[in-house]
Order: sequence, then C-alpha cells, then structure tokens
Amino acid sequence: DGGITQSPKYLFRKEGQNVTLSCEQNLNHDAMYWYRQDPGQGLRLIYYSQIVNDFQKGDIAEGYSVSREKKESFPLTVTSAQKNPTAFYLCASSPGGGVTGELFFGEGSRLTVL
Amino acid sequence: SQKIEQNSEALNIQEGKTATLTCNYTNYSPAYLQWYRQDPGRGPVFLLLIRENEKEKRKERLKVTFDTTLKQSLFHITASQPADSATYLCALRPFSAGNNRKLIWGLGTSLAVNP
Repeated sequence: DGGITQSPKYLFRKEGQNVTLSCEQNLNHDAMYWYRQDPGQGLRLIYYSQIVNDFQKGDIAEGYSVSREKKESFPLTVTSAQKNPTAFYLCASSPGGGVTGELFFGEGSRLTVL
Repeated sequence: SQKIEQNSEALNIQEGKTATLTCNYTNYSPAYLQWYRQDPGRGPVFLLLIRENEKEKRKERLKVTFDTTLKQSLFHITASQPADSATYLCALRPFSAGNNRKLIWGLGTSLAVNP
C-alpha cells in the first residue's frame, strides 16, 4: 500500500545528542515536509522540499537539518542546537511539487529529551 | 495579525446529531482551505478541500462551506457516530503563497460523539 512511513515512533535522547528521524514515501510525490506539533500550537513548518536535492527552511528551522538525496526519503536531524526539541514530529508529502492539493501525513515520531 | 481560529472548547454531541465545527480567519485572501482529522498520537488525515470560489463541498456525511465575506468555513458531520470522535484541523493556503509551504494551521477542535 502507498503511504508515508516515519520511524521511530518514539525516541528518547539525552541533551547534547543529535538524533535523526526517518521519513520514507512510496506515493511518488515531489514535495515533502517536516512539521512540529506542540500542545496549544498549530502545526509549524520546519523544512520543505519541492524536488530532489533542494529544500527550504520553514518557520522554525533553527536547530534542525534535512537532506533530500532521493525522491522517496526526507530525513530530519534534530541537532543539539535545538533548544526545546521535545515534541511530536510529522512528515508529510504532496503531489505536483506541493502547489496545490492535500497533504499526506505519516504517523509521527515523538521525541523526548531526557 | 494574521491568524486562523477554531473553536477552542471541545464539542460534545449525541450520536446521530449533526456536528458543526468552525474555522475563522483574518487578514488572509485564501486560495483554498482544507480540513483534516487527527486521532491522538497519529498523523492528520485529509478530509476535504474547498477553493475560494466554491461555496460548498460534500463527501459522504461530510460537508464544508466557505464564506469569504464572513471569513469563515464550517465543517459539518451529519448522522454523527462515536467513531467520528477526534480532533479536526483546518488549514488555509493564502493566495500570496505559491505552494503548500505557506499553509496556515488552526489549533484544532476536539469532537466527542457520545453513544
């Protein structure tokens, strides 16, 4: 079945450590996104990629990094520079370069910093 | 300031009734508005998209209306069922944005349908 797979679902990290969240899609979508969801706040865009080998910062990119070496994959690294990394992270994709249409989301990854 | 607002209080209704959720926006010229469903600990699932030149969209028991004069979208679930209990998010894409990276998200409204 086509869809978006995020892993791991739960992740614990010590302060000062980098961690990478995986996002893979087999929907043949051009655009992929990373969002962060916190209680009491709407979804906030971290990074966005419209095509392979290209990505753009979203509204809260500081402390995060991404790569888009393959159309199917868009991993997110939460670095030690991110001041408040504990959150629910959502990966999404959309067809047509993200110009229009709905987003397809993964099941999310919950990161907890100990 | 630019913002999008949804009912902050949870909505509790009886099974079989119609649930109506509200999404209000200010200072945007929307290209379109989307509605998503999100269950606890899960990713949002797309439900409906309505464009600025459309008044109403339907899909099975779901209906969305869009009033650009009132700057409001209403989301209706008719003949509600306990399985409809979830948080419902609205997201707006302004005309000024070239693509989905500029989607503006509401905080969501929690709906509980009681048997």
